[in-house]
Amino acid sequence: DAGVTQSPTHLIKTRGQHVTLRCSPISGHKSVSWYQQVLGQGPQFIFQYYEKEERGRGNFPDRFSARQFPNYSSELNVNALLLGDSALYLCASSLSAVNTEAFFGQGTRLTVV
Amino acid sequence: QKEVEQNSGPLSVPEGAIASLNCTYSDRGSQSFFWYRQYSGKSPELIMSIYSNGDKEDGRFTAQLNKASQYVSLLIRDSQPSDSATYLCAVTDSGYALNFGKGTSLLVTP
Repeated sequence: DAGVTQSPTHLIKTRGQHVTLRCSPISGHKSVSWYQQVLGQGPQFIFQYYEKEERGRGNFPDRFSARQFPNYSSELNVNALLLGDSALYLCASSLSAVNTEAFFGQGTRLTVV
Repeated sequence: QKEVEQNSGPLSVPEGAIASLNCTYSDRGSQSFFWYRQYSGKSPELIMSIYSNGDKEDGRFTAQLNKASQYVSLLIRDSQPSDSATYLCAVTDSGYALNFGKGTSLLVTP
């Protein structure tokens, strides 16, 4: 069975640009969450989507947005990139919205220069 | 602010020994607890979940939960060099977000 897949794996962008990151959950999983992990820290929650609706949002600016499609895949968009947005962006897939095991994709390493 | 605290380490144990990793959390409403392993440059991998007080064993791994004292621990028996990684503790309340600690770096020496 395919796990969580994310694309691209690596990305270099310039300050002020926009980026779109993509995630396909495990087959049968309806919940996708996005996390940001900077070096030396644990992942920080950005968004959760369940059944195509936003169920939660972390403490991130409005430059960050996301959506979930009918096939449960998801996109994370970041506008007006800042140097501080450089991080590993992780997508997690789970069966339901709350209190269930979450499985991470390989991540997208974003570097903003 | 919901806090999840872990000793950053590094925790160094000899091969074959038991590694003990600890995590405390501030939110008494926390309901679900997870341990992830993260190798350098890789994404977190779920190794244990625990939802009720007591011990849960899976192979060489044992998770222990004490809600009254607000701590969760992970024991790794017969530690191997391949267990060398950062171990992340994650906690949720009845909501949707995983709240992670900063992780404990484990080094198993041959």
